[in-house]
Amino acid sequence: EAGVVQSPRYKIIEKKQPVAFWCNPISGHNTLYWYRQNLGQGPELLIRYENEEAVDDSQLPKDRFSAERLKGVDSTLKIQPAELGDSAVYLCASSPPTPRTGYTFGSGTRLTVV
Amino acid sequence: AQSVTQPDIHITVSEGASLELRCNYSYGATPYLFWYVQSPGQGLQLLLKYFSGDTLVQGIKGFEAEFKRSQSSFNLRKPSVHWSDAAEYFCAVGGSQGNLIFGKGTKLSVKP
Repeated sequence: EAGVVQSPRYKIIEKKQPVAFWCNPISGHNTLYWYRQNLGQGPELLIRYENEEAVDDSQLPKDRFSAERLKGVDSTLKIQPAELGDSAVYLCASSPPTPRTGYTFGSGTRLTVV
Repeated sequence: AQSVTQPDIHITVSEGASLELRCNYSYGATPYLFWYVQSPGQGLQLLLKYFSGDTLVQGIKGFEAEFKRSQSSFNLRKPSVHWSDAAEYFCAVGGSQGNLIFGKGTKLSVKP
């Protein structure tokens, strides 16, 4: 079984530029999460999807961040424009319908804003 | 509010020595608890999880954790550490909204 796939693995951009991250969850996992992990910190939730619906986006900075999960499968997280403080690892995770029985994380995208 | 505290930022142990990483949580109901490991540049790998039942949980790579409700703790243990265990370890609690709430992590270094 393929795991959670994220791309790209690394991204370096100049501030004020846009950037997008892509995530393909495990087949059959209806819940998808985007987390941000700052250096030396634990991951923090940005947004949670149940199928194609964003059910928790309270921590998503909506002035510059957006996300979508068309058709309830893969998802894209976008930042526009990026700021220096957005440098972090962006992790995608998915979980099956049975609640809380398993969260699988992707390898993450390391974003550096210069 | 739900939260997780990992009191030790960095721990160094000798190879072959025993290990215990501390985790305390704050959660109003019966928690779902997890330990993840993260090697440099990698994603999070699940070591073990607790939902209910036996409070001593066995995981991968020889790790185990014990849930103690009275102490709101879920400490991770390993009887004999290997050099390949050097990584960062995160404790997490399953929040009421279905997401995971993580501690800040404990970095483990292993001395030869």
